[in-house]
Amino acid sequence: GNSVTQMEGPVTLSEEAFLTINCTYTATGYPSLFWYVQYPGEGLQLLLKATKADDKGSNKGFEATYRKETTSFHLEKGSVQVSDSAVYFCAPMIYNQGGKLIFGQGTELSVKP
Amino acid sequence: DTEVTQTPKHLVMGMTNKKSLKCEQHMGHRAMYWYKQKAKKPPELMFVYSYEKLSINESVPSRFSPECPNSSLLNLHLHALQPEDSALYLCASSHNPSTEAFFGQGTRLTVV
Repeated sequence: GNSVTQMEGPVTLSEEAFLTINCTYTATGYPSLFWYVQYPGEGLQLLLKATKADDKGSNKGFEATYRKETTSFHLEKGSVQVSDSAVYFCAPMIYNQGGKLIFGQGTELSVKP
Repeated sequence: DTEVTQTPKHLVMGMTNKKSLKCEQHMGHRAMYWYKQKAKKPPELMFVYSYEKLSINESVPSRFSPECPNSSLLNLHLHALQPEDSALYLCASSHNPSTEAFFGQGTRLTVV
């Protein structure tokens, strides 16, 4: 079946620290891959995407590379800020299921000043 | 305009009430979605409309009834809900079912 495994949170970092949130997936076909972010009390925002192998998605200093051989899409940021505190969801899109997003469990990030 | 607008933002309803959640987008997207999100959990897909036709129903109980009156609007009609249906209900849209989805801010529903 289709599934996503994200590293468990909460992750607590100091400002300007390096961030990695691991994501691996099992999916039929050749999914597009997304990271969404959810700030407290809000809906989800698309953070970045990659649609084919070796693509690198990037936005707001965050990056993730589509690794087909390891079925991974790890999220990284070189220097986190307090304003990055949120829950991050990894989500492959399964085309043969009508474009269904398969969400990981979410990783809560807390950045301290 | 890259927004998906959901109303109301908060809703409290009794178990015998009938209410509706509304979602609107003006991006020309032809796929629209309802998700349910419980606290500390990921969103769960409920329904997908593609070109105004219901294409996916994830075995949602009939007390939830979706409606897509036109390509810009999506409603979720609620009737005889249970307290365990209390959650954040998220609407999303995408250009088509194969492209990235954009989410609204959600309606926080409390069933009493």
